[in-house]
Amino acid sequence: QKEVEQNSGPLSVPEGAIASLNCTYSDRGSQSFFWYRQYSGKSPELIMFIYSNGDKEDGRFTAQLNKASQYVSLLIRDSQPSDSATYLCAVNIGVGDKIIFGKGTRLHILP
Amino acid sequence: KAGVTQTPRYLIKTRGQQVTLSCSPISGHRSVSWYQQTPGQGLQFLFEYFSETQRNKGNFPGRFSGRQFSNSRSEMNVSTLELGDSALYLCASSLMGQLNQPQHFGDGTRLSIL
Repeated sequence: QKEVEQNSGPLSVPEGAIASLNCTYSDRGSQSFFWYRQYSGKSPELIMFIYSNGDKEDGRFTAQLNKASQYVSLLIRDSQPSDSATYLCAVNIGVGDKIIFGKGTRLHILP
Repeated sequence: KAGVTQTPRYLIKTRGQQVTLSCSPISGHRSVSWYQQTPGQGLQFLFEYFSETQRNKGNFPGRFSGRQFSNSRSEMNVSTLELGDSALYLCASSLMGQLNQPQHFGDGTRLSIL
């Protein structure tokens, strides 16, 4: 099993709808979970981080963490064309401060 | 506040050569991590430095090495370059480390091996 897995997409969502991005991880001891957005040709930028089970909301973004099932998701409400990008999930895996990134999900918002 | 600065932005080398990439973290950030990004493998962790010490290392061969200076600036060196080393190399800094703090990425150095 890969350490951090994401569906590569592309995930196509109509403008104004909710985009749901999922990520599963292998290490039950993981504590830190991050979502980054990466536009084509640009470097990743942090959207949200979550450490505790449950939901964390920031504007149109909600991160959901379920440690028992070992998944973390990102919901984007009222999707905009500017949300079209690759979304990277990152999780600390194993001993020490090693952050492992998933390969990312390409999101395409349809105008 | 200035962001993470990586130099150079672009680099072309030939097989067998070596290369040094530089990263200046955000002021006050003490942790610097390096990543390799390729279309096939995604973003892969190389190593992390904190207070001039390598704290974590990914699964890359010994040809990849790094160091951090007392001002937290970091360099990454790749020796005996191979075609497969062509990639975008990203540096990220955080206040104290990756675990509990978000990382801020630089624009990267795109390395092409001919």
